[in-house]
Amino acid sequence: AQTVTQSQPEMSVQEAETVTLSCTYDTSESDYYLFWYKQPPSRQMILVIRQEAYKQQNATENRFSVNFQKAAKSFSLKISDSQLGDAAMYFCAYSQYTGTASKLTFGTGTRLQVTL
Amino acid sequence: DSGVTQTPKHLITATGQRVTLRCSPRSGDLSVYWYQQSLDQGLQFLIQYYNGEERAKGNILERFSAQQFPDLHSELNLSSLELGDSALYFCASSVGASPKAETQYFGPGTRLLVL
Repeated sequence: AQTVTQSQPEMSVQEAETVTLSCTYDTSESDYYLFWYKQPPSRQMILVIRQEAYKQQNATENRFSVNFQKAAKSFSLKISDSQLGDAAMYFCAYSQYTGTASKLTFGTGTRLQVTL
Repeated sequence: DSGVTQTPKHLITATGQRVTLRCSPRSGDLSVYWYQQSLDQGLQFLIQYYNGEERAKGNILERFSAQQFPDLHSELNLSSLELGDSALYFCASSVGASPKAETQYFGPGTRLLVL
């Protein structure tokens, strides 16, 4: 079964600085999707960024970018110019397709604090 | 706003009772997924429906059941509730059931408290 590991339960970053959240996963599949979701105190799950495994190029969304290392099964999230509104739980997720269905497998999350 | 709606937002009930959680997917989305978020189990996939048909099952208890109706809204039924069922239940939707361009958008969740 696929597993997703986030080894950093908590991280802290100063406003305007850059922080990187780590994620590793285990799979025997070659074609899959990886996601980062943000969960602020409101508990809403908000999509941050998506990476397609067959694409070599790392995904970027404004201040958010990923470092996708397929061979190492690593998928880290870099947040540049951190803002107070970035404070949240961040979940890494793997999308598994079983031929007729898909589901997300989540990591345990990293709580990001943003300080002044 | 993801476009996925869930009702109710909060639900407080007693052990042994039965509740129904409702989800309306984004316009045009055919797939609906249910997830449970609890302190001890984290975020877990429960079940997926695509255009009215069950497509995948995760760690869903036998006391739980779901269905997707012709108008594509979905309901998650939880029965014989136990204290451990207290959690945040999310519904998500996506366009289809293929791996290409599959992004799941989440609703705001229903917070269930079993007393």
